Amino acid sequence: GAGVSQSPSNKVTEKGKDVELRCDPISGHTALYWYRQSLGQGLEFLIYFQGNSAPDKSGLPSDRFSAERTGGSVSTLTIQRTQQEDSAVYLCASSFGGAVQAGYFGPGTRLLVL
Amino acid sequence: GENVEQHPSTLSVQEGDSAVIKCTYSDSASNYFPWYKQELGKGPQLIIDIRSNVGEKKDQRIAVTLNKTAKHFSLHITETQPEDSAVYFCAATPWRGSQGNLIFGKGTKLSVKP
Repeated sequence: GAGVSQSPSNKVTEKGKDVELRCDPISGHTALYWYRQSLGQGLEFLIYFQGNSAPDKSGLPSDRFSAERTGGSVSTLTIQRTQQEDSAVYLCASSFGGAVQAGYFGPGTRLLVL
Repeated sequence: GENVEQHPSTLSVQEGDSAVIKCTYSDSASNYFPWYKQELGKGPQLIIDIRSNVGEKKDQRIAVTLNKTAKHFSLHITETQPEDSAVYFCAATPWRGSQGNLIFGKGTKLSVKP
């Protein structure tokens, strides 16, 4: 596809369960970002991947959050032992990287923890 | 680290009027400033950007200005239309070496009244 895709588009889970969110970046983009957006709020940075460099994990809110990027393409954000405060829209963006570029966002995954 | 402040948080204008949204940043290393528009239920979409080597950029009804000395940049929308109603986010990228990140303001909800 031409844009960033994310799956699932919506996820409802019970407190304490683990969830995995997937991001397929634009082909050829080496940089990939994850952000979290709570209802009516701005974008909270979570993690940033750039090529083969070590990811910038400085935004992850707790050790329950982790992310990986396989083969420099698809990324998975995992939230373990979900809490109600994890409910938010999780947004993924990608860019060419290597030089400063805008990030192109996917539609997001809306996570609701009951 | 970088901190981006955005004002106002809400803005209501009459159709045809102009709208101005202002952002300030803290990190003098920031050299790229994109603006995003987010419609309800969608991911943010890039609408215009400016690099630190220019002071102004226009694209039809949208313009962005940058004052590096004062560390602030602004989005100007002229001849507003109801379809301009959305949440607008500014961002700044402190780019070092080959890596950078997008630090966002908290957003401005723009309402254009017909």
